[in-house]
Amino acid sequence: AQSVTQLGSHVSVSEGALVLLRCNYSSSVPPYLFWYVQYPNQGLQLLLKYTSAATLVKGINGFEAEFKKSETSFHLTKPSAHMSDAAEYFCAVSASIGNEKLTFGTGTRLTIIP
Amino acid sequence: DGGITQSPKYLFRKEGQNVTLSCEQNLNHDAMYWYRQDPGQGLRLIYYSQIVNDFQKGDIAEGYSVSREKKESFPLTVTSAQKNPTAFYLCASSMAFQPQHFGDGTRLSIL
Repeated sequence: AQSVTQLGSHVSVSEGALVLLRCNYSSSVPPYLFWYVQYPNQGLQLLLKYTSAATLVKGINGFEAEFKKSETSFHLTKPSAHMSDAAEYFCAVSASIGNEKLTFGTGTRLTIIP
Repeated sequence: DGGITQSPKYLFRKEGQNVTLSCEQNLNHDAMYWYRQDPGQGLRLIYYSQIVNDFQKGDIAEGYSVSREKKESFPLTVTSAQKNPTAFYLCASSMAFQPQHFGDGTRLSIL
């Protein structure tokens, strides 16, 4: 069984500052990991995915995440926050890349301070 | 443009009434999914279908039903047995070995 823990339901950063959103996972098999972003009243958009090819994954909008097996973590970062980054972010895990059992974390709402 | 269309965007249900949420995709994806989203709880899987005429229960299937008569369509019915139906419902689809793509959701409220 897989599970995901996102530390911090709300994160606030100043515009131009580093964004760090935390995700820890639990999986009985080598995991596939995803970060999705959700803007208000919209669906989820894929930011990036980890599929065991490389531990540092680059995604859209300047985001990246690093898979650390020893820490069971997949934290999302962006060097410089932009106002348009304000949204809710979800980390998710599955046992295979297209697998039906996509387990989501509870989400982190990111606020950007002007 | 290819994508997933959910309708309606907002839906209201009276007590004891069944309602059906529509999900249509033109991405030629084999698999389709329904999730429920509640504040602070993330997304939870209701039902999924990997092929036409076949579907499986997810983690919170009680009070819901689905059908998959066509590859493009995966409607979700919220029955009167679902005692707390107020939520944001998201439909997704995927090809084999590819991440899931999401629609823009339907917000269901109780009158």
